[in-house]
Amino acid sequence: TQLLEQSPQFLSIQEGENLTVYCNSSSVFSSLQWYRQEPGEGPVLLVTVVTGGEVKKLKRLTFQFGDARKDSSLHITAAQPGDTGLYLCAGASGGGADGLTFGKGTHLIIQP
Amino acid sequence: NAGVTQTPKFRVLKTGQSMTLLCAQDMNHEYMYWYRQDPGMGLRLIHYSVGEGTTAKGEVPDGYNVSRLKKQNFLLGLESAAPSQTSVYFCASDTPSPNYEQYFGPGTRLTVT
Repeated sequence: TQLLEQSPQFLSIQEGENLTVYCNSSSVFSSLQWYRQEPGEGPVLLVTVVTGGEVKKLKRLTFQFGDARKDSSLHITAAQPGDTGLYLCAGASGGGADGLTFGKGTHLIIQP
Repeated sequence: NAGVTQTPKFRVLKTGQSMTLLCAQDMNHEYMYWYRQDPGMGLRLIHYSVGEGTTAKGEVPDGYNVSRLKKQNFLLGLESAAPSQTSVYFCASDTPSPNYEQYFGPGTRLTVT
């Protein structure tokens, strides 16, 4: 069974601070996705990383896929209250569309 | 373009009752999925389908059945609801690609008393 461990589980910081969220596994994934979920809604895809070592930027969010494709990180610069939400990482394995393996998520609160 | 829609949004059942959750997508996606989300457990795959008329078991399939009679619809059934099935259920869809980028519906909150 493939597992994705996210850390920290909860994070509450002040507006303007920087933060990093981690997603780690002992398994190799063909791709890894990051989703953001707000209360009462479904997860919304932020980014997909495919190549080991890949770095993608989405405004103030920077996503990195580990060289061995077993881990990933999400870095937010100058966090804003609108960044508040549940951040989920999810990994896909090659060989078929048999769903994603999700981490348990990081609950992020940005206080004004 | 509505994306992925789910019906109903909320439901309360008594133990032993049955119900069907409906998922519809208008993106012509081949693959569809049902997940449940519980506090501290993350999203877990219940069943999935890689095409019309096909279904397969996911990580936690017991107590659920599914059907994919039309490409755009994926139904999740509970034949005899149990309190352990109290959860938020999400449907998702995507297309065959190396990246498995799934699009999620808004969820159904089910309470079994």
